[in-house]
Amino acid sequence: EPEVTQTPSHQVTQMGQEVILRCVPISNHLYFYWYRQILGQKVEFLVSFYNNEISEKSEIFDDQFSVERPDGSNFTLKIRSTKLEDSAMYFCASSANSLIEAFFGQGTRLTVV
Amino acid sequence: AQSVTQPDIHITVSEGASLELRCNYSYGATPYLFWYVQSPGQGLQLLLKYFSGDTLVQGIKGFEAEFKRSQSSFNLRKPSVHWSDAAEYFCAVGAGNTDKLIFGTGTRLQVFP
Repeated sequence: EPEVTQTPSHQVTQMGQEVILRCVPISNHLYFYWYRQILGQKVEFLVSFYNNEISEKSEIFDDQFSVERPDGSNFTLKIRSTKLEDSAMYFCASSANSLIEAFFGQGTRLTVV
Repeated sequence: AQSVTQPDIHITVSEGASLELRCNYSYGATPYLFWYVQSPGQGLQLLLKYFSGDTLVQGIKGFEAEFKRSQSSFNLRKPSVHWSDAAEYFCAVGAGNTDKLIFGTGTRLQVFP
């Protein structure tokens, strides 16, 4: 069964450092998403990406965040200068047709120290 | 604005007992409704979804959910719970004019033998 793959599963970084979270969406999917879940809180939408551009982003997704599909298979989330409050589980998702069925990866747990 | 409420943070049931997890949503039009499950260390797996039509939807792993417009609810049910159903369950709502999903805070299900 095809799946969304995220790497690494856990990343620890120092405050102020840049991090890149990587995702390999399902190969024929066209819509890509990042969500995050701060420990004990709800899963929150960050950004959606379609046709090589951001289609929607939340208030959380400020100038410190960026997304990229560098090579047609990977989908990355970059945080330029991490803050303690960026510590969370980050989920990548992809779908063939918008909201019809989004498949989520297993998540990357980011810990900022 | 759309919102989702899952009133039960934690539910404990005995194996073989029936289960109902509650979900209430707030949205002006007919929403897209989803239930996801997250097992420990795993990503979010789609259990079932409702877009339109029959208000009782069947999902994977023996789960079903019923859309009740009058109550703004989309409760998840299972007639007989298995120990492997222990996980976190998330209800989510989406809208036709946006790609993002709004998640509830989740319900943690514990199953006793």
